[in-house]
Amino acid sequence: EVQLVESGGGLVKPGGSLRLSCAASGFTFNTFGMNWVRQAPGKGLEWVSSISYSSRYIYYADSLKGRFTISRDNAQNSLYLQMNSLRVEDTAIYYCARGQDNFDCWGQGTLVTVSS
Amino acid sequence: SYVLTQPPSVSVAPGKTARITCGGNNIGDKSVHWYQQKPGQAPVLVIYNDSDRPSGIPERFSGSNSGNMATSGNTAALTITGVEAGDEADYYCQVWDSSSYHWVFGGGTKLTVL
Repeated sequence: EVQLVESGGGLVKPGGSLRLSCAASGFTFNTFGMNWVRQAPGKGLEWVSSISYSSRYIYYADSLKGRFTISRDNAQNSLYLQMNSLRVEDTAIYYCARGQDNFDCWGQGTLVTVSS
Repeated sequence: SYVLTQPPSVSVAPGKTARITCGGNNIGDKSVHWYQQKPGQAPVLVIYNDSDRPSGIPERFSGSNSGNMATSGNTAALTITGVEAGDEADYYCQVWDSSSYHWVFGGGTKLTVL
């Protein structure tokens, strides 16, 4: 069974940092592109970042302005999102999602709350 | 940047047909994907590449894009026939914008089953 499990969310003060992880299982991780998508409370889906299977291609939403870094460890079947200089408006559920042509499998998400 | 426009809400009686639209400039040139999200749950892919259904998605769900005969203009659509109470959810369209190398989601449509 394909499974994606996010972790690393929590409460952080503005200006702080967090590193999210996504553990993948049930499929050949190193053959799939991966993505992060977030959803602010009561709002719609917002694409955050994507990384190709080999890490050769990496893309970010313009709104991040260089504060977030996506990475992956194919040996560990894991996806990461390093988030720096966090702002109140980064408060959201962060989902990891599998796929490069569409997002065919999603984790349950991890909540990041940025508040003083 | 590329923008996808969805109606905020659509209401339909049980057993009827719901149609959720997704507008975008020359959207017929792109592959449109649709996701269903029920309250408190992660999104689920229900239509990919305009009109393909992942395994496990009922045939009641279908998709079309302005590149084919079922829709017109700069519009893609998700159609749900024989709507059931369990179809009540938020639905999002998505495309890849190759000019900016960005994924784009529509604002979402809340489907209410009356």
